[in-house]
Formats: sequence, structure tokens, C-alpha cells
Amino acid sequence: DAGITQSPRHKVTETGTPVTLRCHQTENHRYMYWYRQDPGHGLRLIHYSYGVKDTDKGEVSDGYSVSRSKTEDFLLTLESATSSQTSVYFCAISEPGLAGIEQYFGPGTRLTVT
Amino acid sequence: GDSVTQMEGPVTLSEEAFLTINCTYTATGYPSLFWYVQYPGEGLQLLLKATKADDKGSNKGFEATYRKETTSFHLEKGSVQVSDSAVYFCALLGAAGNKLTFGGGTRVLVKP
Repeated sequence: DAGITQSPRHKVTETGTPVTLRCHQTENHRYMYWYRQDPGHGLRLIHYSYGVKDTDKGEVSDGYSVSRSKTEDFLLTLESATSSQTSVYFCAISEPGLAGIEQYFGPGTRLTVT
Repeated sequence: GDSVTQMEGPVTLSEEAFLTINCTYTATGYPSLFWYVQYPGEGLQLLLKATKADDKGSNKGFEATYRKETTSFHLEKGSVQVSDSAVYFCALLGAAGNKLTFGGGTRVLVKP
């Protein structure tokens, strides 16, 4: 299994509070991704990173920000959580060309915004 | 933009039945195609992949063939087991090679 951990695994927070989710990898992969999973929508890309301090938006980036100060860590921040951000969040990593084209996924973080 | 459409579930089967999950895609260029599986309470695991037309991906008794003429990548298994109960996602990696586009997922329930 790819060495990907996510923390916390479960979180309940109130509307309007800031929340930060952490993804940590031990594979030294260049690319890291944050997705959200909602019923009927599959997984949708929020943001991704292609190197330290290099990030870009995905299809559902509004209300989210990310940071990557080290290769192994990719943080997702909800500046002011809303109920529509209740979801399961997955981190993924890849190293196109070197380790194959696959993305490897973490175990997920279940976030509930009340 | 890129998109993936897969059949809605849930699909309920008896053990040893034949499973097919349809997946079609829209993409520019020549995408790579994937099936991921998600077991209850877990993250996604790569099940199989195909990187060019007519390639067949296979793993754990599952197969899918990359059909460019019909823009499809249907997943099949000849004899399912209870342990195959999961959600299956079809996905494509577009021409840029760095972002996956997922279908909505198909829940499969296999009963003994």
C-alpha cells in the first residue's frame, strides 16, 4: 500500500469555523490531490499540487485553499466551513512517468459541518 | 471538457452471477482509463487500467477493454463473490496527464 495518511479521520465542526485537513505521504511523489466524494457525484477534484509551493485549482475549488510547504504534506483549509462542505475528503498522490500513471488514495476524512 | 458516465446502481446480484458495469467517456485526445474500487469504509484502490485503444486491463477476475470506437470501458466479471460488494468507479486521465475525471460510481451488492 502507498504510504498515505490523512488526519483527522473524522471531524465534526460548526458552520463558520476554519478547518484544516492534512495529507501526509512517504512516497516522495510530486503530485498530490484533494478530492471530495458526494453521493451521485463520484469524486471531484478540489485542488492539486505539482510540487512544493506549486498548486492549481480543480473543478470545485470555491471555499477551499491549499498549501504545500514540504513534498510530503498537502494541507486543505476550509476558511469558513459551510454545511455544503459536509463530505468525505480523499487525498491522492501520483508520480507520472516515474512510478506509473496511477493515483493512489488515502483512507479519507469524513467531515460534518453542523 | 472530459466526462465519464457510468450506470447507476445499486446493482444487486447473487453469488456466482455475471457482472457488467457500463462506462462511457468523452475526452479529447487519447485518455488512459481506469477502474477503481472502494470497499466499505475505505479509500479507493486501483482495480485495473488501460492506456491505449484495444488494451485489456485485468485483475482479480475483473476485465475491461478500452474501446475507442464506442468510447467505452465496461467492467466485467464472470462469477462474483460476496467479497466483491463495493462501489466501483470508472475514471479517465486526460491528455494533460495529471488529473483524473471520475464517473459517479456504481454500488454493487452480492448476496450469498
